[in-house]
Amino acid sequence: KAGVTQTPRYLIKTRGQQVTLSCSPISGHRSVSWYQQTPGQGLQFLFEYFSETQRNKGNFPGRFSGRQFSNSRSEMNVSTLELGDSALYLCASSLLGGATGELFFGEGSRLTVL
Amino acid sequence: QKEVEQDPGPLSVPEGAIVSLNCTYSNSAFQYFMWYRQYSRKGPELLMYTYSSGNKEDGRFTAQVDKSSKYISLFIRDSQPSDSATYLCAMSETSGSARQLTFGSGTQLTVLP
Repeated sequence: KAGVTQTPRYLIKTRGQQVTLSCSPISGHRSVSWYQQTPGQGLQFLFEYFSETQRNKGNFPGRFSGRQFSNSRSEMNVSTLELGDSALYLCASSLLGGATGELFFGEGSRLTVL
Repeated sequence: QKEVEQDPGPLSVPEGAIVSLNCTYSNSAFQYFMWYRQYSRKGPELLMYTYSSGNKEDGRFTAQVDKSSKYISLFIRDSQPSDSATYLCAMSETSGSARQLTFGSGTQLTVLP
């Protein structure tokens, strides 16, 4: 069974640019969550999508946005990049209705902003 | 002050030792408590999941939750070099996949052979 796939794994951007990250959840999983991981702040919740609808959003500025497609694949976008956006962006999928609602994480997309 | 506090370590122990990892939290609405393990350059993977106060055991791992003290622990018995990783506690107020997890900063553990 394939896990959560995130692309690209590594990318370098400059301040002011925008970036789009992609996440393919585990087959059958309809919920996708995004988290930002940095050494200083740890893992912080960005947003969660289910059936193409954003159900929950963390405390991040509007420059961070996302969407989910009908096949459950998700993308997140960061516009007007700042140095502080350098982080590991993790996507997690979940099978709604599971006993634990366990989140399965991908390996992340590591973004460096210069 | 962060909602969830976790000693970042690093923690280094000899093989076979008992490891104790801990988190404290301030939000009394947290009901679901999890421990994740994250190897270098990998995503976190769920180790333990508990609801409310109590203990849960799974092989060499035991999770404890004391809601009255707002304190959770993960114990690893007979630690192995393969346990070397960063351990993250996580908590949420609601169940199901719509929940928003709040993570601790992680404790880096090294088990020496």
